[in-house]
Amino acid sequence: KQEVTQIPAALSVPEGENLVLNCSFTDSAIYNLQWFRQDPGKGLTSLLLIQSSQREQTSGRLNASLDKSSGRSTLYIAASQPGDSATYLCAVRRETSGSRLTFGEGTQLTVNP
Amino acid sequence: NAGVTQTPKFRILKIGQSMTLQCTQDMNHNYMYWYRQDPGMGLKLIYYSVGAGITDKGEVPNGYNVSRSTTEDFPLRLELAAPSQTSVYFCASSRSLATNEKLFFGSGTQLSVL
Repeated sequence: KQEVTQIPAALSVPEGENLVLNCSFTDSAIYNLQWFRQDPGKGLTSLLLIQSSQREQTSGRLNASLDKSSGRSTLYIAASQPGDSATYLCAVRRETSGSRLTFGEGTQLTVNP
Repeated sequence: NAGVTQTPKFRILKIGQSMTLQCTQDMNHNYMYWYRQDPGMGLKLIYYSVGAGITDKGEVPNGYNVSRSTTEDFPLRLELAAPSQTSVYFCASSRSLATNEKLFFGSGTQLSVL
């Protein structure tokens, strides 16, 4: 059974700081890994998707990396802004689970002005 | 651009009542999903559908039913509401099973069963 863990559960940083969010998974046989952003009272928005054959993906100030062999992914946020405050979730799609995703519990990020 | 639309946004039910959570998408996606999210937890898959007329159970299907009569709509039915079903429910959709295919979410329905 795939298990996904995110550390830390909560993170508070001053504006402008670079930061890293961590995601680990127990089964390395994955199709892809997605990072989502969730704002209070809102749905999830997909930020980055890394396919199993890829090592990283970048979008603006966000960079996500994937190391399948070690079962780890990181989301790097450069020059953090108060608008980045949200909960960030990672989710993996296993090779044997069809279209289904397994989610981590999320990291609640607060960027202080 | 509507995307995935869920109604209602909030609902309070009494134990034993029934209700249907509505979900519709306008992206012509084949795959649709229902997830629930409990406080401080990740999302758990309730049911999913790979196309009109085809549904299957996810991790936590007990107490729920679904149908998929059209590509656009995927309603979730609670027949006998229980306090354990207090949660935030999210509907999602994707176009295909390609490895680069992203998941699109609705804004959620917050349900309380008292």
